[in-house]
Amino acid sequence: QQQVKQSPQSLIVQKGGISIINCAYENTAFDYFPWYQQFPGKGPALLIAIRPDVSEKKEGRFTISFNKSAKQFSLHIMDSQPGDSATYFCAASYQGAQKLVFGQGTRLTINP
Amino acid sequence: DVKVTQSSRYLVKRTGEKVFLECVQDMDHENMFWYRQDPGLGLRLIYFSYDVKMKEKGDIPEGYSVSREKKERFSLILESASTNQTSMYLCASSFVGQNTEAFFGQGTRLTVV
Repeated sequence: QQQVKQSPQSLIVQKGGISIINCAYENTAFDYFPWYQQFPGKGPALLIAIRPDVSEKKEGRFTISFNKSAKQFSLHIMDSQPGDSATYFCAASYQGAQKLVFGQGTRLTINP
Repeated sequence: DVKVTQSSRYLVKRTGEKVFLECVQDMDHENMFWYRQDPGLGLRLIYFSYDVKMKEKGDIPEGYSVSREKKERFSLILESASTNQTSMYLCASSFVGQNTEAFFGQGTRLTVV
């Protein structure tokens, strides 16, 4: 079953714009929400992660916004650059689970 | 740097063949994982191992088995390959603990003909 739903499946943004990818989860036991970035020919790599005790986390141009009551979280990429073109996966896990549940992925293209 | 190495980048196998995908990690991680990546479906967990000789089924274990005889090595076995197992396979590893980062290999693209 898909416990984490991600949208959109693909996204095209102009250079300098804001890219926004959304995820929704079902399991209220989830307490760790990472985002992974995958370039063609490579495995996914951790980009940024958040725990539900904060509503926002920012690292450079990347921000996670978290809405616990709505069971949603999103990735915002400010000043999007062509080098940000990749596939992005949201994920979730809970204490003791040791394993991640991934969303369906979003292929992001930043046009120059 | 953490390194997770998958033995093959590309594989082409025939229907009915027994297929072995190998993964080695060099960071002494307790946990190792095999995921399958398909467009529109994301990454789906096939099997997970939290210790040598220990394994746990993931979401889609049918048609697969695994072997972990040494801590650093985790093998995925397709007992009798079928065309619907054509996919990208990703191995990952992590430390035991709450919310630890998973490190991925570069993937093996398997085509079953």
